Formats: sequence, structure tokens, C-alpha cells
Amino acid sequence: AQTVTQSQPEMSVQEAETVTLSCTYDTSENNYYLFWYKQPPSRQMILVIRQEAYKQQNATENRFSVNFQKAAKSFSLKISDSQLGDTAMYFCAFCTSGTYKYIFGTGTRLKVLA
Amino acid sequence: GAGVSQTPSNKVTEKGKYVELRCDPISGHTALYWYRQSLGQGPEFLIYFQGTGAADDSGLPNDRFFAVRPEGSVSTLKIQRTERGDSAVYLCASSLGPRETQYFGPGTRLLVL
Repeated sequence: AQTVTQSQPEMSVQEAETVTLSCTYDTSENNYYLFWYKQPPSRQMILVIRQEAYKQQNATENRFSVNFQKAAKSFSLKISDSQLGDTAMYFCAFCTSGTYKYIFGTGTRLKVLA
Repeated sequence: GAGVSQTPSNKVTEKGKYVELRCDPISGHTALYWYRQSLGQGPEFLIYFQGTGAADDSGLPNDRFFAVRPEGSVSTLKIQRTERGDSAVYLCASSLGPRETQYFGPGTRLLVL
């Protein structure tokens, strides 16, 4: 079975500091995609970053970057220069290249403190 | 243009009633998905449409749940004889094609009393 595990239910970080959210996954597939989504209280799931498994280079989007370790099946999200607007639930998700179903973790609630 | 929209934003109903939840995908997106998010959990896949047809409905929990997309754009998720366990946020997503990034709507929060 394919699973996604987020082992940190809650985290907090001071404004302007850096925080890393953890995600591990389990699959026997070799080709897949990984995502981080942000879900603020408005419930809107917003794509933060996407990584293709065949790419060795870690994806980056402005203040957001990932540490993709394919052998370890690890996909952590680093948020630099944290801002109050980053306060939200963050979900790690996984999808094999042959399907379209996203498998989500249980989420990490991040609170950015002023 | 606009993102994925869902109506209603919130729905309160009584056990045993019938409800319909609507999703308007991003214009031009051929693929549409429904997910259910229970409290404290990540979204779980329900059904996937490619065009007008349900290509995969393996996530629907039972035959009380049904979804349609008659013209390949708007989709409606229908729940018959609602039960308290159906209470959740129902999320809709769309993508340009089946293996493109999915973009989500704000969801409909369903509460069954």
C-alpha cells in the first residue's frame, strides 16, 4: 500500500526564522510526483511546491524549498524567512505517474509567531 | 480565469436527507476529482472524471454516493440518505489532464445532524 506519513502534528516558528516540515512516503513505484499543499482556515488547498521523482535537483519556489531524498523516501519542506501568512495546515501528497489519485498525509499545523 | 469554485460553502442537513454539492472547475480543465476530508485528516480520493465519464469511482464509500458531470464541466456530488458519519469537508479539484497538477476549490463543509 502507498502511504504518506507526516510525523509532526503541530509546529511553531518565530517570524523571520526557518522551519522544516517532515514527510515520508512508501511506494514500490519508481516514477511519481510529490507535492506540498497549504490549507489556511479558509479551507482552500494551495499548491506550495511540486517535485518530480526523476529529477535529482530539489525544487524551490521563492522562500519554499524541499529536501528530496529518494532512497530514504523522504520529502521535507523548508520555509525560510517565515511570515505570519504562512500560518496554516501543510499537507504532503504523493501521486504515481500512472495514476491521478493524490494520497495525502495527515498534515502538520504550522503557527508562525510574531 | 477564476479558480475552482464550490457551492454551497456550508451545508447543514438532517440524517436521512438528500444533498447535492456542486463543483465548477477551472475553465479548460478536462479532469475533475472529488475528495473527502474528515476532521484532522488529509483529503481522501472519492472519484475522478475525465470529460463526462467517471473514469474511477473506487473511492466512493458506498452506493449512497454518486457523482455526475453531464457536460464535461460542472460536476455534482450527490449523497442519499445522509448519515452523521458523512459529515466532512468535500473538496473538488481540477487539472488540465489526468496527470497534471490538481488545483483545489475551497470545499463544502457538510454537517449531518
